[in-house]
Amino acid sequence: AAGVIQSPRHLIKEKRETATLKCYPIPRHDTVYWYQQGPGQDPQFLISFYEKMQSDKGSIPDRFSAQQFSDYHSELNMSSLELGDSALYFCASSRTYYEQYFGPGTRLTVT
Amino acid sequence: DAKTTQPPSMDCAEGRAANLPCNHSTISGNEYVYWYRQIHSQGPQYIIHGLKNNETNEMASLIITEDRKSSTLILPHATLRDTAVYYCIVRVGNNAGNMLTFGGGTRLMVKP
Repeated sequence: AAGVIQSPRHLIKEKRETATLKCYPIPRHDTVYWYQQGPGQDPQFLISFYEKMQSDKGSIPDRFSAQQFSDYHSELNMSSLELGDSALYFCASSRTYYEQYFGPGTRLTVT
Repeated sequence: DAKTTQPPSMDCAEGRAANLPCNHSTISGNEYVYWYRQIHSQGPQYIIHGLKNNETNEMASLIITEDRKSSTLILPHATLRDTAVYYCIVRVGNNAGNMLTFGGGTRLMVKP
């Protein structure tokens, strides 16, 4: 079965640089979620989109922005990167309210 | 969303049942109990959810007390691949846009 695809899987950036993470949801899923998981921490919700409109917003820094495109893929744009942004970034998609399918994550390292 | 309390860690022998408790004493009438797990550095995985009745699927069983203030996730025959962090999450369940709030969780170690 098709799963959530995230790219790239690994990304190394320097401080103050910009990064773009991509997420391709499972076909026919209409909701996309972004989560951030720092080292040794639990996943934290950042933002979600339902039918290409932002639906919920969590603790997403102002330096981050995201959008969902007409083909339902989503991108998380991160600017002025800081060392503390080093984390695993998960994208999830859903078609029902109860089950979110998570991708494998993108490991971002900021040096 | 209601706060949940889980033991930080548990051990289980391979082949035995793993019973993971969760307290959610402030749960509201329209809030569901969800269980997800995260195997090391992988994306979290949905296991099961319920409102007030006990539920069972191919992965696990969920037992919710009558007053709904606590629940237990049961993995009937734990394997080494079940070693993971298990999250009990309580949230309103009828909105497709609802995010998941992960907190604490129980680190289950299945041992040979």
